[in-house]
Parts: sequence; structure tokens; C-alpha cells
Amino acid sequence: DAGVTQSPTHLIKTRGQQVTLRCSPKSGHDTVSWYQQALGQGPQFIFQYYEEEERQRGNFPDRFSGHQFPNYSSELNVNALLLGDSALYLCASSLSVRGLHQPQHFGDGTRLSIL
Amino acid sequence: GQQLNQSPQSMFIQEGEDVSMNCTSSSIFNTWLWYKQDPGEGPVLLIALYKAGELTSNGRLTAQFGITRKDSFLNISASIPSDVGIYFCAGHNAGNNRKLIWGLGTSLAVNP
Repeated sequence: DAGVTQSPTHLIKTRGQQVTLRCSPKSGHDTVSWYQQALGQGPQFIFQYYEEEERQRGNFPDRFSGHQFPNYSSELNVNALLLGDSALYLCASSLSVRGLHQPQHFGDGTRLSIL
Repeated sequence: GQQLNQSPQSMFIQEGEDVSMNCTSSSIFNTWLWYKQDPGEGPVLLIALYKAGELTSNGRLTAQFGITRKDSFLNISASIPSDVGIYFCAGHNAGNNRKLIWGLGTSLAVNP
């Protein structure tokens, strides 16, 4: 049973470029959340996708956008990259069950470095 | 963004010792989760708590959901070298089961 998989594992970009990160959820999960984790910090919530729509967003600018596909996989896009966007980007998947809390399971992340 | 208050920030202990760490919030939480993160990897779920007062164990790990719903603790008994890593608390605010709010982590080092 495959867990959450993310690609690529590492990426180096320069300021102003655009990047796309990919995530495949754990088998049976239908919800994908994205987090940014700066060095020495806890993860910060970017947004969550369910039924191919963004259903909640954290305090991140519009440069951060996403998409969820019919097979529940997801992409995170970041435009006009800034040095401060350097971080570990984590994808988490869960199963949405009305009225029940379901824990989020994480991938190993994409380490993004901006030069 | 909002963060949980997690303490201690770091711990250095001898193998075999017990460990305790806790997490507090200024608002009521509906869930408390404890994760462990090793270098170069994503957080791995250790224990999930869903009810005030709930006490749950996972092997040598025990965690509790505080009665006030504003705190949680994690205990590790008889620590071993592979317990080394960063432990994070996380949770959902009352009324929001989508966005996970996180602590800054407790870095644990175990001396064999």
C-alpha cells in the first residue's frame, strides 16, 4: 500500500521563476493538503483540495496556486519565486468523512531552494 | 500564522530515561495529533486524539488530550536511540477540521 508520494525530492530554482510540485495521495484518500516548512519551523498550511476544488487556504499570496485531478493527485504551483520561498514543501493526504476527524498522512516533501 | 506553544524546545537525555513534552493553545482544539519527523523525511503520525481527557498509547508512547481542550502532552518511556528526532504537536481548531496548526517542535537527542 503506497503512502503519499511527492516529486521531485529536490529542486533548485532562481528568483522570478515558476515551479510545479506534484503529490500522489495515499491509496483510498481523497483530500490533499499542502504545507510549507521553513528550516527549524513547524509546517504552515498553504491550502487544501477536495473534489478538485480548493476548500480552504492559509495566509499565502496568490503566487501559490494548486490543482487536484480526478485521480485525487495534486499539484502546487508557485510563481515569481522569491528567496523566502526556499523551504520543504509537504503534501498530506486524508479521507474526508463528514462529521469525523481523519488524520493527515505526509509525504517526504520536496526541498525547494531558490538562488 | 497561528502556532501552538510547544515545550521544551530541545531535550538531551540518556538511553532508558522517560521523556515528557507538551503543547498548549490559546483556543479550544477539537483534535490533537503528535508527529515525529526525521531529517529529510516528512512527519509521521504517532498518536491521534479526538476527545477531551482521552489517553492513548502507541507502544512506549502515551499522549493525552487535555480536559480544557487547550493542551496535550506526549510521554515516551524507556527511551532508545531511535527515538531521536523532532516531535511536533498539531491540531485542529474547534470548527475547522481542515487546517492543521503546528507547534515549533521538540528536538530529542538520546545518548546511548
